[in-house]
Amino acid sequence: LAKTTQPISMDSYEGQEVNITCSHNNIATNDYITWYQQFPSQGPRFIIQGYKTKVTNEVASLFIPADRKSSTLSLPRVSLSDTAVYYCLVAGAGANNLFFGTGTRLTVIP
Amino acid sequence: NAGVTQTPKFQVLKTGQSMTLQCAQDMNHEYMSWYRQDPGMGLRLIHYSVGAGITDQGEVPNGYNVSRSTTEDFPLRLLSAAPSQTSVYFCASSSGQGEYDGYTFGSGTRLTVV
Repeated sequence: LAKTTQPISMDSYEGQEVNITCSHNNIATNDYITWYQQFPSQGPRFIIQGYKTKVTNEVASLFIPADRKSSTLSLPRVSLSDTAVYYCLVAGAGANNLFFGTGTRLTVIP
Repeated sequence: NAGVTQTPKFQVLKTGQSMTLQCAQDMNHEYMSWYRQDPGMGLRLIHYSVGAGITDQGEVPNGYNVSRSTTEDFPLRLLSAAPSQTSVYFCASSSGQGEYDGYTFGSGTRLTVV
């Protein structure tokens, strides 16, 4: 499994766009990049997944450059309820042994 | 649509006791996994299964047993509880198919071993 590196924590004011970058230099050809969100006392929740270029859904956007050695999760206009830990994972499609790491703790400030 | 259901939500055990954490999913998912999360840490994989009758060890399997007799259920057994097993346990499931397939997690079981 490709190891990922992401900032331990980030702070942002309400209404701002937040970008969390994840580094995965050893990503394999068949690996996908997936982001999860975890609130306190809850299990992680799938946010978005992509292979290359840009993916957008109702929650976030995921930007992946051509070399795929990094990716950026973009959260538009964050609110207090977006305060959570965000995990970047890299694994093959249908992988059954995910590695979560410690994630990025995002704190949204009023 | 219940998703992934874990029981109990909270449990206190004495050292040496055994117990089973229950996990059930109603999405007909083939893949199921158990993770533990210690305070301030990420999730670590204990055991996983890619289908009924098939299980395998994850990163931290010692002290835990699993079985998968049905697609729906994936119980985690603690053989002889130790204080080091105090943690929050999450069960997750996935169809294991398709490129846009994430895992669905349960709400967790908070276990304290005294």
